[in-house]
Amino acid sequence: QQQVKQSPQSLIVQKGGIPIINCAYENTAFDYFPWYQQFPGKGPALLIAIRPDVSEKKEGRFTISFNKSAKQFSLHIMDSQPGDSATYFCAASRAGSARQLTFGSGTQLTVLP
Amino acid sequence: ETGVTQSPTHLIKTRGQQVTLRCSSQSGHNTVSWYQQALGQGPQFIFQYYREEENGRGNFPPRFSGLQFPNYSSELNVNALELDDSALYLCASSLAGPMNTEAFFGQGTRLTVV
Repeated sequence: QQQVKQSPQSLIVQKGGIPIINCAYENTAFDYFPWYQQFPGKGPALLIAIRPDVSEKKEGRFTISFNKSAKQFSLHIMDSQPGDSATYFCAASRAGSARQLTFGSGTQLTVLP
Repeated sequence: ETGVTQSPTHLIKTRGQQVTLRCSSQSGHNTVSWYQQALGQGPQFIFQYYREEENGRGNFPPRFSGLQFPNYSSELNVNALELDDSALYLCASSLAGPMNTEAFFGQGTRLTVV
């Protein structure tokens, strides 16, 4: 069964801290790994995505680290702000599936002022 | 804003009824995927439509069905509603082709089955 396992379930950091959210996958056919941010009552918003041919990608304060051999990837949020408080989801899709996404279970991040 | 719009935003139905949810995809996108997100969980893939044909289906029963129209908008139909169908229903649009684009989500339809 295709699965993406995400941890931790919840995370609390102080403003300026660097929360790290981890995901692990099983299906080696996955070739696209996005992260989404979701606020209450809203749809998920794409933050950043990576393919397995690179080990790291940065966009603004968000960085994805990717370890293909371990089948793991993680999201780092630099200089976190209270406005970053949201639920974060990792996801994955197979080549040729036109972005049929398998999501992790989510991490609820709280950034304290 | 993603340009993906869903209607209605909220809906209350009675167990056993049928419901239709609608999604307008982002301009230029030819693929719509539907997801079910139960409270406190990640979205679960229901199915995807590409050029008006079903192009993949998740682990959902046949009472979940859909359509895609020539303008690439889409409908999700659920028959014989059950209490467990209460969830946020999300659609996502993308452009499928030699280089698939990112998937962008609408704001969702909150369905409550009573």
